[in-house]
Amino acid sequence: KAGVTQTPRYLIKTRGQQVTLSCSPISGHRSVSWYQQTPGQGLQFLFEYFSETQRNKGNFPGRFSGRQFSNSRSEMNVSTLELGDSALYLCASSLDEDGYTFGSGTRLTVV
Amino acid sequence: AQSVTQPDIHITVSEGASLELRCNYSYGATPYLFWYVQSPGQGLQLLLKYFSGDTLVQGIKGFEAEFKRSQSSFNLRKPSVHWSDAAEYFCAVGARGAAGNKLTFGGGTRVLVKP
Repeated sequence: KAGVTQTPRYLIKTRGQQVTLSCSPISGHRSVSWYQQTPGQGLQFLFEYFSETQRNKGNFPGRFSGRQFSNSRSEMNVSTLELGDSALYLCASSLDEDGYTFGSGTRLTVV
Repeated sequence: AQSVTQPDIHITVSEGASLELRCNYSYGATPYLFWYVQSPGQGLQLLLKYFSGDTLVQGIKGFEAEFKRSQSSFNLRKPSVHWSDAAEYFCAVGARGAAGNKLTFGGGTRVLVKP
């Protein structure tokens, strides 16, 4: 079956702009979570959605937000981009008792 | 709060030699533990996971890990390394339940394989 699909793969944005990243989970998976990966901070949890509800949130500013649709697809949005937001953003889907499957990520570069 | 420590930032191993990557965790309840591998520019691939039961877990690509509750460790091993095993490896502990799912990762260990 198809894996976790993240689009786009690469993005270049300017400081102050906003960006929306998309994640399509594995069919049947209702939990979608997002992670930020940077060389300095490593892998950090952003938030998790389950059945269109945010169940858990990491320690990130309010500029980072997300949502999940009825088909379990999820989007995350970052407003007022800063240089430090440059990172690989990873999405993972889960069937709850089965572990987490990650997508290939979206590489965001803020200039 | 949960945390994961991978003491070794880099490990260099000769092809054909054995490999052991260390992972120590801190978690208040019974942990759910994972090992992931990441090739450059790619996402994370699950190698193996421990939820309960047998403390020696077999994974893909010939990897295994042993859960030791008394030592709060979940070390990853491979008897004979192949050049394709060069990558970065992450240990993670998972929180589950009504509060939602969340993984906390260690800092990663980069494995270099010498021919």
